Amino acid sequence: DTEVTQTPKHLVMGMTNKKSLKCEQHMGHRAMYWYKQKAKKPPELMFVYSYEKLSINESVPSRFSPECPNSSLLNLHLHALQPEDSALYLCASSQPDREYQPQHFGDGTRLSIL
Amino acid sequence: AQSVTQPDIHITVSEGASLELRCNYSYGATPYLFWYVQSPGQGLQLLLKYFSGDTLVQGIKGFEAEFKRSQSSFNLRKPSVHWSDAAEYFCARYNAGNMLTFGGGTRLMVKP
Repeated sequence: DTEVTQTPKHLVMGMTNKKSLKCEQHMGHRAMYWYKQKAKKPPELMFVYSYEKLSINESVPSRFSPECPNSSLLNLHLHALQPEDSALYLCASSQPDREYQPQHFGDGTRLSIL
Repeated sequence: AQSVTQPDIHITVSEGASLELRCNYSYGATPYLFWYVQSPGQGLQLLLKYFSGDTLVQGIKGFEAEFKRSQSSFNLRKPSVHWSDAAEYFCARYNAGNMLTFGGGTRLMVKP
């Protein structure tokens, strides 16, 4: 069983819809990440939260809006997405105050934009 | 940023045969290296990690990897492959700020 839980597993939305992806971990990790993964490619980093503060934004379009309400939760709010945003969105977490501890990934949300 | 290269995009092995997946990293200070596996429709599962010390590291599911500084390599091995090992394998390293850099991945197919 994965220790990082992502919901929903699948999401289909139109380009004018607003939806949110959720990620939850109870490992006490204080760094959380969003990645985007296209088919047959490695994950690409989108955002990093460290101690609930946004520390890295990899030049992601504003139609993606991250939120970290507390140390266990990470959301990704979606609005006015484009067909090219269809992908697997992965959440990960790690312990930032212990040097280079591995990231633990969830199973992802498969997003399809109509 | 320092990079990771996986030279083989696809590898096919027979069930029960041995496996070696290659990973090369760009030169730098002691790298922090990982191997992840991704089965279809799932997220990434950590197989093993190397930080320092013993250059042969053991992981889950019978996998091991050997760090060779002289060759800038961190190859993944398994003595006997099972059909359930068919998946995508990613080698990765940490850059500054706990940011992971992934290799392009190797897709493993297992013949019965």
